[in-house]
Amino acid sequence: GQQLNQSPQSMFIQEGEDVSMNCTSSSIFNTWLWYKQDPGEGPVLLIALYKAGELTSNGRLTAQFGITRKDSFLNISASIPSDVGIYFCAGSSNSGYALNFGKGTSLLVTP
Amino acid sequence: DVKVTQSSRYLVKRTGEKVFLECVQDMDHENMFWYRQDPGLGLRLIYFSYDVKMKEKGDIPEGYSVSREKKERFSLILESASTNQTSMYLCASRSIRGSNYGYTFGSGTRLTVV
Repeated sequence: GQQLNQSPQSMFIQEGEDVSMNCTSSSIFNTWLWYKQDPGEGPVLLIALYKAGELTSNGRLTAQFGITRKDSFLNISASIPSDVGIYFCAGSSNSGYALNFGKGTSLLVTP
Repeated sequence: DVKVTQSSRYLVKRTGEKVFLECVQDMDHENMFWYRQDPGLGLRLIYFSYDVKMKEKGDIPEGYSVSREKKERFSLILESASTNQTSMYLCASRSIRGSNYGYTFGSGTRLTVV
C-alpha cells in the first residue's frame, strides 16, 4: 500500500499552544481518518472525514479534508499534557481496501 | 463499543520458535488486519482478511502467515521467529456496513525475539 507523507515527524510544545499537522498523498482518497495512539496502547479513531472540503471538530481537535482530496490537516487547540501521543493520518480510496497510514507525528507537551 | 482483544500484551520468544499471536473481535466485523509498528516506520500491513477463510498479503508478509477459521478470530503466525521480527504487533477490525471505514485497533502485542 501507499505510505502517506505526514509532517512534522515530531513536535515538542508547551501546554496551551496550538498544534498543526498534515498529511499528503500522491493519489486521491475518498476518506481521511485521524488516529491517536497513547503510549503502550493501540491507535484510537479521533476524526473521520468523507467529503472534500469537509471540516470536522471533536472538542479541541479540528480536521479538514483537503479540496484536492490528496491532503488532510489536523489542528489541536490549547494543548494539554494528555494530548501526548502519536497521531496518525490514514486514507482510503475505496471502502473495500486496507487503509494507507502516515508514519505518525509524535507530540510531546510540557506543563 | 467494539472490542478488539489481543491475547498477550508482552511476549518473549526464542529465535526459531513458532509464534502465534491471537486477535478476537466481538462485533461481527468482516475485515481484520495485522500490522507491525516500528519506530520511524509507522504502521506496516502484514496480512488482512476480508472475511472468514479469506486472506490477502499486505506489504510485508514474508516470514508470517495467518489463519481465519472463525469470523471473530484472526491469528498471526511467525513460522520461525527471528530477531528482526521484534516489534509491536497491532490487530484491527472493520465493518463493511455503513460509511465509517475506520478500524478499531487492539492494544497491541509487544514481541521480543531473543
